[in-house]
Amino acid sequence: DTAVSQTPKYLVTQMGNDKSIKCEQNLGHDTMYWYKQDSKKFLKIMFSYNNKELIINETVPNRFSPKSPDKAHLNLHINSLELGDSAVYFCASSARAGIQEKLFFGSGTQLSVL
Amino acid sequence: TQLLEQSPQFLSIQEGENLTVYCNSSSVFSSLQWYRQEPGEGPVLLVTVVTGGEVKKLKRLTFQFGDARKDSSLHITAAQPGDTGLYLCAGEGDYKLSFGAGTTVTVRA
Repeated sequence: DTAVSQTPKYLVTQMGNDKSIKCEQNLGHDTMYWYKQDSKKFLKIMFSYNNKELIINETVPNRFSPKSPDKAHLNLHINSLELGDSAVYFCASSARAGIQEKLFFGSGTQLSVL
Repeated sequence: TQLLEQSPQFLSIQEGENLTVYCNSSSVFSSLQWYRQEPGEGPVLLVTVVTGGEVKKLKRLTFQFGDARKDSSLHITAAQPGDTGLYLCAGEGDYKLSFGAGTTVTVRA
């Protein structure tokens, strides 16, 4: 079983559309994250949830809205997609929020906005 | 955001050669992690270093944390094609991980 799974793997869409990416972890972890990796491979944190509560919210356009229905799931909804949103989005989880925690990443969702 | 710079950006070597990649910052980190990412996959944690001056070994990989906890290096001995990948360092501060842009390592058979 995949520890952190996200769907879809690829997402191609037009500018202005709204799309969602889903993430689930079966590790029993308390904390989940969304990261964005740009074309230069720079990986930047967007959001973090601990037990369904938002604990990290970096400077991200409010077109991006995370939702955590339970601690095993963290979904990302994006409104009014723009060309600059094209990137690979990674979901990750850790046992808890804190220092020296090991992050387990999903295999990414490659979003292409045309 | 605490910035980490990794160098070199790209590294291509022959199987059996040694290589070193560097991770530098002007910020002090409470810990530093190294990840390896393969194409189409997410990063996978290799090691966490915590103490200034700490050295950790993972088979042919040697990781060092700088004395001032601002920099780190990864040394691979006798590289193999299976070591090919994107190596990312990530520094921890304020309960957040800040990633460098990575070093893409290609080991040719």
